[in-house]
Amino acid sequence: SQTIHQWPATLVQPVGSPLSLECTVEGTSNPNLYWYRQAAGRGLQLLFYSVGIGQISSEVPQNLSASRPQDRQFILSSKKLLLSDSGFYLCAWSVKGTLVYFGPGTRLTVL
Amino acid sequence: GDSVTQMEGPVTLSEEAFLTINCTYTATGYPSLFWYVQYPGEGLQLLLKATKADDKGSNKGFEATYRKETTSFHLEKGSVQVSDSAVYFCALIIQGAQKLVFGQGTRLTINP
Repeated sequence: SQTIHQWPATLVQPVGSPLSLECTVEGTSNPNLYWYRQAAGRGLQLLFYSVGIGQISSEVPQNLSASRPQDRQFILSSKKLLLSDSGFYLCAWSVKGTLVYFGPGTRLTVL
Repeated sequence: GDSVTQMEGPVTLSEEAFLTINCTYTATGYPSLFWYVQYPGEGLQLLLKATKADDKGSNKGFEATYRKETTSFHLEKGSVQVSDSAVYFCALIIQGAQKLVFGQGTRLTINP
């Protein structure tokens, strides 16, 4: 069966520090991968999605970037965090336009 | 573009009350429709889905019917429980598309 892992589960970082959140998927090949952010009390915002290795589409211009170095690995990064980057970050995967499955999420607090 | 609109929250009900959370959509193609649920502090879980008109998705006592004529996918439950307290998201994906489009979410609180 397929599973999706995210780490860390929680993270507290100072403003201006770098960020790296990792997501890996098991049990499937060539999935679509997604990064969503959920700010406190708000809905889901799609940040990035990827349909293959090295292929990244950005939905919202911002302080973040994403990379997909391997088929089942998706990384969210920042060189310098802002206060507004605080939120709940969710990685997700799907098989080409069918069901989308979510990871457990990473709660990021920028102080 | 494709979009999903949910009823504004928060919604507060008493235990055993009837629940409806409205969801309507606009889509350029032929969408599949979903309801996801997010319990406090957790990620999103798929609650139910429908892939074509007049399909009814159901799970854990929740139901939603894909209504093409009204472009709606309202979530219903006949008797809610305290454990149903969560945020509910309506979503769609167009066949062959790459992205899941979400509504803004509706926070539901059930009081004993």
